[in-house]
Amino acid sequence: GAGVSQSPSNKVTEKGKDVELRCDPISGHTALYWYRQSLGQGLEFLIYFQGNSAPDKSGLPSDRFSAERTGGSVSTLTIQRTQQEDSAVYLCASSFGVGAGEQYFGPGTRLTVT
Amino acid sequence: SQQGEEDPQALSIQEGENATMNCSYKTSINNLQWYRQNSGRGLVHLILIRSNEREKHSGRLRVTLDTSKKSSSLLITASRAADTASYFCATDYGNNRLAFGKGNQVVVIP
Repeated sequence: GAGVSQSPSNKVTEKGKDVELRCDPISGHTALYWYRQSLGQGLEFLIYFQGNSAPDKSGLPSDRFSAERTGGSVSTLTIQRTQQEDSAVYLCASSFGVGAGEQYFGPGTRLTVT
Repeated sequence: SQQGEEDPQALSIQEGENATMNCSYKTSINNLQWYRQNSGRGLVHLILIRSNEREKHSGRLRVTLDTSKKSSSLLITASRAADTASYFCATDYGNNRLAFGKGNQVVVIP
């Protein structure tokens, strides 16, 4: 079956622009997670969704970051007024439920802010 | 922060040899997982070991967990060139997220 998909695979944007990153989880997975991977910080947790609800947004690096999920499926991570330090690979994962154990990762979106 | 932390090794081994990497963590966990990453993109789940388990096998992979020492090890036996990748441990503290270590780069030389 289809795995987690993310789009775009690569995004180059100018500092100050807004970007939207999309994640399509595995069908039937109720939990969805966003992580960020950068050279200096390793893999950082950003936010998770149980259904359409994001109970804990404390992992988001700043108020320029927001995320939503609709229909218990697709999720969008939005970064407003991008900064160079936002450059990273943004990874999405899904699982059968929150705390269900293994997470299934998408291929990631490589974001470069120039 | 509560992070799984691998020994920050870059392993370079010959095909057929075994590769071992370690991970430590700070507080009680629900489970610990190992993931592989090729070319800096998506992670692939390898194995999950629960806090009440001590050893688990999956094909050529063997994972141990020592909750008294808060550490885990991943052993890859009879390595192959295709095992070349970065390996991450990830701890589940029951807070609905995984905490990843920095990763181990393993290079298997044919």
